[in-house]
Amino acid sequence: GQNIDQPTEMTATEGAIVQINCTYQTSGFNGLFWYQQHAGEAPTFLSYNVLDGLEEKGRFSSFLSRSKGYSYLLLKELQMKDSASYLCAVRDSNYQLIWGAGTKLIIKP
Amino acid sequence: IAGITQAPTSQILAAGRRMTLRCTQDMRHNAMYWYRQDLGLGLRLIHYSNTAGTTGKGEVPDGYSVSRANTDDFPLTLASAVPSQTSVYFCASSDDTNTGELFFGEGSRLTVL
Repeated sequence: GQNIDQPTEMTATEGAIVQINCTYQTSGFNGLFWYQQHAGEAPTFLSYNVLDGLEEKGRFSSFLSRSKGYSYLLLKELQMKDSASYLCAVRDSNYQLIWGAGTKLIIKP
Repeated sequence: IAGITQAPTSQILAAGRRMTLRCTQDMRHNAMYWYRQDLGLGLRLIHYSNTAGTTGKGEVPDGYSVSRANTDDFPLTLASAVPSQTSVYFCASSDDTNTGELFFGEGSRLTVL
C-alpha cells in the first residue's frame, strides 16, 4: 500500500530552527508537496520538490531524496504565527496526491 | 477576490437526510477535487474532476456523488447522510502548471447525528 509518515506533533521555541521529516512509500513519484494548515483553516501551499536537493524559499526550505523516499521541511527563525500543522503529500504515478496525517507544530515563546 | 468558495461553512444534519455541499471557483482551473479531513488521518480524496463534464472516484467515494456541469462549479452530494460522514470537507482546484499546486476552499464542517 501507499504510505506517508510524519511525526504527529513537534514543539519548538520562537526564534529557533525546526526540521519536520516525511518518509513515503508510493506507487511511483511525481513530486512532493508541503502545505501549511492553521487550525480551523484551509491548507495553503508551501513548497514543491520533484528533483533531489534543497529548495529554499525565505525562512522555509524543503529537501528531497527520492532514493531514500525522504523529505524534510526546515523552518528557520520561528515565529509564533508558524504554529500550525504541516502536511506532506506525494503525487503518485497516477498523478493522485497521497497525504500524510500532518505534523502539528507548537511554538513556545 | 479570486479563489474557491464553499457553502455552507458548517451544518448539522440528521442521518438519512440529503445534503449538497457547494463549491465554486473563479480561477478557471480545469481540475477540481473534494477531500474529507478527519482527526489523525491525512486528507482523503472523495471525487475529482479533471475538466468540465468529467468526474472520477477517489479513495473514499461511497455515499457521495458529484457533478461538473461547468468549469466553475463542483457540488458534492450526500444522498443519505450517515454519522460516519461527519467530517470537514474541503474543495480544491489546481491549474495546469507543472507544479499543479492545490488551492483550497475554507472548508465545510458537517455533523451527522
